Amino acid sequence: IAGITQAPTSQILAAGRRMTLRCTQDMRHNAMYWYRQDLGLGLRLIHYSNTAGTTGKGEVPDGYSVSRANTDDFPLTLASAVPSQTSVYFCASSDSAGEGNEQFFGPGTRLTVL
Amino acid sequence: GQNIDQPTEMTATEGAIVQINCTYQTSGFNGLFWYQQHAGEAPTFLSYNVLDGLEEKGRFSSFLSRSKGYSYLLLKELQMKDSASYLCAGMDSNYQLIWGAGTKLIIKP
Repeated sequence: IAGITQAPTSQILAAGRRMTLRCTQDMRHNAMYWYRQDLGLGLRLIHYSNTAGTTGKGEVPDGYSVSRANTDDFPLTLASAVPSQTSVYFCASSDSAGEGNEQFFGPGTRLTVL
Repeated sequence: GQNIDQPTEMTATEGAIVQINCTYQTSGFNGLFWYQQHAGEAPTFLSYNVLDGLEEKGRFSSFLSRSKGYSYLLLKELQMKDSASYLCAGMDSNYQLIWGAGTKLIIKP
């Protein structure tokens, strides 16, 4: 059982390029999330999906888009990367979006935009 | 606004007890989570409190006071492997987690 996988593990990207970060979970969780983690700041929610076919904007959605075509996959796309998007990106999932549901995290993708 | 405050860094001795405090301000409240994050790794779930009081889970305990907007994580019998960052997160009325910046705990032998 893998839990949540993310790809790539790390990436160096030129500014202006398009990039998709992949996230797959095998726990049949309904809710999925994308966070970024920057030094000195808490995890910040980029986008979320409470169930397949639906998505929502989090605290810092600008410059990012997501899709949720099925239960397992939740890719995050940077349409035109900028240096301020240099960060560690974590995908997470939970059984549902309700009270008390712990989130399980993937190993993260370290992205550097030059 | 929504805000989670916790100390940036704490140091403790192996075998001792340490308490990591967290104050929160969220739009609505659906519970308080604690996660552990080792350097270079993903956060992992430690505890969840939604009612006032102390929840004990082995060497780790978590306390919540809803009236004070306050929680703490208590770690007993500290081991070197407990060196990590501890993240406090409040769940708001939309069931979204609002995260603190984390407390880096350094354990000395």
